[in-house]
This record gives sequence, C-alpha cells and structure tokens, in this order.
Amino acid sequence: AQSVTQLGSHVSVSEGALVLLRCNYSSSVPPYLFWYVQYPNQGLQLLLKYTSAATLVKGINGFEAEFKKSETSFHLTKPSAHMSDAAEYFCAVSLSGGYQKVTFGIGTKLQVIP
Amino acid sequence: DTEVTQTPKHLVMGMTNKKSLKCEQHMGHRAMYWYKQKAKKPPELMFVYSYEKLSINESVPSRFSPECPNSSLLNLHLHALQPEDSALYLCASSQESGVTDTQYFGPGTRLTVL
Repeated sequence: AQSVTQLGSHVSVSEGALVLLRCNYSSSVPPYLFWYVQYPNQGLQLLLKYTSAATLVKGINGFEAEFKKSETSFHLTKPSAHMSDAAEYFCAVSLSGGYQKVTFGIGTKLQVIP
Repeated sequence: DTEVTQTPKHLVMGMTNKKSLKCEQHMGHRAMYWYKQKAKKPPELMFVYSYEKLSINESVPSRFSPECPNSSLLNLHLHALQPEDSALYLCASSQESGVTDTQYFGPGTRLTVL
C-alpha cells in the first residue's frame, strides 16, 4: 500500500520568505513521488517528479524537493515566495512511476502575505 | 504546444439530461485520463485510456461513460446524474514513455447537476 501525508492543510508565508510544504510518504517499496500545483479555478500542473535519479529534484517556477529515505519525506521548498505562488499544492505517490496508480495527498493551501 | 483543452468550461444540467464533456490534446500523447475533483479535495481518477485501452476505477457509477474516438480526443458522456456528481472534471494526458513522462492537465469543466 502507498500513501502520502501532507502536514498542514493551510500554510501562510510572507512574500519573499522561504516556502516549505511538508510531505511524508508510506510505501513498501521505493516510490515515485510528485508535487502538483493547482491555481484557483484551474487544472493541476506537475511541478516536479522524483524518479530515483537524484534525491534533489528541481521543478518549475523555482521549486525543488528533496527525497529523504531515512525520514520518508519529500518536502517542497522555494527560497523566496511570490504572490503568484498562492495556490493548492498536492503531494502524490506512485509505485510504478506511471500516472494510473497515483495516490494524492489531501493538499496544502499556500497563502502568500504581502 | 503542451495544451490540453476541455469544453465546455461550465455545464449546468438536470438529472434527466444527457450531456458530454470533451477533451483534446495534440502532443501525441498515448494516455488520457478523466478525474473528478470535489471542492477542497484532491482529484480522483475515474478512467484512463492508455494506447486506446480503457482502465476503469470500479467505484465510478455507470452513469459516467468514457469514449476515446482517437488518440487525441477523449469524451465523457453523462446520463442521469445526481446532484452529488457536481464537481470539477479534469482531463489529463501523458506520453506513457516511462519514468520521465510528464502529465498535463486541462483547465477542467465545472459541472453542476440540479
């Protein structure tokens, strides 16, 4: 079985501050991990994907995530928040790497305060 | 072009109506997906066509019927829906090229069932 837990359904940061969105996974085998972003009234966009090629994964819009096996974590970070980063962020896991068996977390809503 | 288009953007229908949602991509992707997303929830996978072979989430009721006329088009036929089917319906596509594959989402159709 596979699952992800996103800690904090709402996160607020000041503009220019570090963004840290937490995700822990549970998997019986090495997983593939994803972060998606959903802007208001839009579809999802894949930010980045961990495929075991490198533990530090760089994504779009300045985001990156680090796979830490010892902590079973895949936290999403960005050094400096922009107002345009305000959105819902979903962590997800798949055992196969494909999108047909992806399990999503509940989501974290990021608020950026000017 | 990395665009997935969906029509209509909004749809209001009665419980006795028959309607269809449409999705299109011209990226040469061989997998297309339908998701249902309720407010403040992650998306739930309903159907996948991969190389024109259908995979179904067994929990999806039969009043939803997918169709894939060709590898670029995906339809979702709706019949005798219930108010609880009101949601955002998202279409997505991916190349099915392996672990480096990227998934692209459309903006969704906001469905309201009266």
